[in-house]
Amino acid sequence: GAVVSQHPSRVICKSGTSVKIECRSLDFQATTMFWYRQFPKQSLMLMATSNEGSKATYEQGVEKDKFLINHASLTLSTLTVTSAHPEDSSFYICSASSLGTGKMETQYFGPGTRLLVL
Amino acid sequence: AQSVTQLDSHVSVSEGTPVLLRCNYSSSYSPSLFWYVQHPNKGLQLLLKYTSAATLVKGINGFEAEFKKSETSFHLTKPSAHMSDAAEYFCVVSVGSGGYQKVTFGTGTKLQVIP
Repeated sequence: GAVVSQHPSRVICKSGTSVKIECRSLDFQATTMFWYRQFPKQSLMLMATSNEGSKATYEQGVEKDKFLINHASLTLSTLTVTSAHPEDSSFYICSASSLGTGKMETQYFGPGTRLLVL
Repeated sequence: AQSVTQLDSHVSVSEGTPVLLRCNYSSSYSPSLFWYVQHPNKGLQLLLKYTSAATLVKGINGFEAEFKKSETSFHLTKPSAHMSDAAEYFCVVSVGSGGYQKVTFGTGTKLQVIP
């Protein structure tokens, strides 16, 4: 159980175009979804947190107009990189969580999407 | 404020010998602590988690970790390394729940297992 998928797994686009990445929880309802970015040989950096039906909360330094997050349902969140530039090339990972016992939640991660902007 | 420090960026062990991956944290609140593993070209997988219950937590694949509040540590151990354990391991601290979680990842420790 607790499987999270991402689509696409890899995308190459031209500078100036927009790219949409989907994150789905396949066998559970995700009350919260998270989007991370991982640079080569570095740790994951949290970009934003979103609850279904409400606006995402962005971390400091993350441009909300550039990285549009939509959490339309309890099983789907999308990240759209608008007007992508080469410096946006990175590995984007989503995770989903659902309230478990007590107040503690576990995040289940998608396999990631590698974005290359030419 | 919270932070996570993984003291070793690389750890190399021989197959069959014990594994110790160190993690120290700081948090103003009572945190939840996690260890995740990332194999090459694969997604992050939860190994184990501490959520204020037993301080010694057992996870998958023979891994365990002990929460020591006095030392603010959550080191990951395994009695005997297997070749399949070679991967990158992340220690994570989390405070809050739902959309109010503050999650911080450590910088990762790459485990190499020598045959």
